[in-house]
Amino acid sequence: DQQVKQNSPSLSVQEGRISILNCDYTNSMFDYFLWYKKYPAEGPTFLISISSIKDKNEDGRFTVFLNKSAKHLSLHIVPSQPGDSAVYFCAARFTGTASKLTFGTGTRLQVTL
Amino acid sequence: EADIYQTPRYLVIGTGKKITLECSQTMGHDKMYWYQQDPGMELHLIHYSYGVNSTEKGDLSSESTVSRIRTEHFPLTLESARPSHTSQYLCASSEFREQFFGPGTRLTVL
Repeated sequence: DQQVKQNSPSLSVQEGRISILNCDYTNSMFDYFLWYKKYPAEGPTFLISISSIKDKNEDGRFTVFLNKSAKHLSLHIVPSQPGDSAVYFCAARFTGTASKLTFGTGTRLQVTL
Repeated sequence: EADIYQTPRYLVIGTGKKITLECSQTMGHDKMYWYQQDPGMELHLIHYSYGVNSTEKGDLSSESTVSRIRTEHFPLTLESARPSHTSQYLCASSEFREQFFGPGTRLTVL
């Protein structure tokens, strides 16, 4: 049973526009959420995170929104740049579990010129 | 510069061979992890460690084993590689909540 779901396997956005990547989770015991970016043949790179006690966190072009009642989070990238083209993974952490993370299956973002 | 390293980056090997995938970090993190990832799939945790001499199996059953004799070193060993072990193996470390990943090892077993 997949506890973290990214239902869109791919997304194409024009350069300069907003990219919105979505993630749903099923377990209300998750207390921390993270987004990672991954290029082919490389390890994931940490992007941005949010605690379950917040509903928004912003870092430059990246903003993560958390809707606890809907068990939904989203990553907004604005403006999107060609270098943002990669696979984006959503991850969630249970309280007090040695920081073990549960990952979604990823969304491949393609930013076109 | 603090970082996390994995060697080899790519490995092609025959069935039945013993292999060790190396992972080292210079950040002094106590917690380290091994994940397995296939294309289009999520990362699956196969092993983790809270610190020296501590290792635990992850959520995905794996025939590999790990050891943690030094804080900075967390190698993964497969005693007898099989084609079903073909995958990307990712090592990570953590101090608080974020995990930081190495570049990964792409393993192909023929």
